[in-house]
Amino acid sequence: DGGITQSPKYLFRKEGQNVTLSCEQNLNHDAMYWYRQDPGQGLRLIYYSQIVNDFQKGDIAEGYSVSREKKESFPLTVTSAQKNPTAFYLCASSTNLQETQYFGPGTRLLVL
Amino acid sequence: DQQVKQNSPSLSVQEGRISILNCDYTNSMFDYFLWYKKYPAEGPTFLISISSIKDKNEDGRFTVFLNKSAKHLSLHIVPSQPGDSAVYFCAAPFQGAQKLVFGQGTRLTINP
Repeated sequence: DGGITQSPKYLFRKEGQNVTLSCEQNLNHDAMYWYRQDPGQGLRLIYYSQIVNDFQKGDIAEGYSVSREKKESFPLTVTSAQKNPTAFYLCASSTNLQETQYFGPGTRLLVL
Repeated sequence: DQQVKQNSPSLSVQEGRISILNCDYTNSMFDYFLWYKKYPAEGPTFLISISSIKDKNEDGRFTVFLNKSAKHLSLHIVPSQPGDSAVYFCAAPFQGAQKLVFGQGTRLTINP
């Protein structure tokens, strides 16, 4: 089955720790995205990637980093510089930047 | 600056009746709109879209209406079913579609 997978479903971060959220897609999509959802708010774009080895900052990139070494993978690292990391993180992909985005199941990040 | 707004955080509708979810936008450059449906702890699922060259798009029980002069769109679900209970987000592509701007979401509850 084609789709987008995110792991883990829940992730706990300690103070000062970097954590990495996984996003994999087997849809052969070129474009991938990371969003953050906070209660009562819409999704906000963290980073996006149009193609392998290329990525751009979204609205709230501070405290996050990404890599795009493979077409099917777009991991997001939440660094210790992100002071309010508790949120629901959603990965999405699309054929290209102009096409409809499809979302993964999400990862909930909690701070201990 | 909230460019896409969903002013009703929640809506309760009886099963079998029509559900109408509303969305307003401020940016007249938006020319394409999407509706996503989201269950708790899951990623959003693409539901239906509409281009600004149309004023209506229909897909089964779901119809989206666009009023460009009022900068308003609405999603109609008829008849409403219990499985429609979810949070609905409207979204619009911005900056060449690499950025999806989301509304805050409306939680729809279908009562038996």
